[in-house]
Amino acid sequence: ELKVEQNPLFLSMQEGKNYTIYCNYSTTSDRLYWYRQDPGKSLESLFVLLSNGAVKQEGRLMASLDTKARLSTLHITAAVHDLSATYFCAVDISGTYKYIFGTGTRLKVLA
Amino acid sequence: EPEVTQTPSHQVTQMGQEVILRCVPISNHLYFYWYRQILGQKVEFLVSFYNNEISEKSEIFDDQFSVERPDGSNFTLKIRSTKLEDSAMYFCAPRGGTSGEETQYFGPGTRLLVL
Repeated sequence: ELKVEQNPLFLSMQEGKNYTIYCNYSTTSDRLYWYRQDPGKSLESLFVLLSNGAVKQEGRLMASLDTKARLSTLHITAAVHDLSATYFCAVDISGTYKYIFGTGTRLKVLA
Repeated sequence: EPEVTQTPSHQVTQMGQEVILRCVPISNHLYFYWYRQILGQKVEFLVSFYNNEISEKSEIFDDQFSVERPDGSNFTLKIRSTKLEDSAMYFCAPRGGTSGEETQYFGPGTRLLVL
């Protein structure tokens, strides 16, 4: 059974600091997705990573995928309060777009 | 980016009652997915729907659940006899995006509370 684990589960950080969220998965896949969820809201697509070594950047967020290590990272640069949210990674192992979501990382950026 | 609306936004029901959740795409999509999220927990896959047929379903999607496309555009998720543990946020998600980089775009969700 595929397991998708994120760490940390909770992250409280100061504005202006850098940090990385990790997403590990247990079965071979080269399709990984990152989403953001604000409290009480839906999921917003952030990044689509479809091959080993893929790197995508949008503003202060950068995501990468290492399929050999079965690891994706979401790096936050110079955090700002607006980035406070829960971040989920999701893995598609069968190519059918059946996503298996990670546990989520709740990020709180303190002013 | 595909857009959908979901109705109702909130629903409260008694255990054992049937509920129907609706997903209305703004434009035509072939692939649709339903997920649920129990409060404070991760998002769980329920079922995928392609070309008016179920293509894959999870263990959660038992005989109490069904999906339909009754009028060729709207999608419905029906729970025949709700249980307390069905209380969750339910999202529909069409597949879309740039060809070769498609992903799922989640609708606003329906919050279901079973009492």
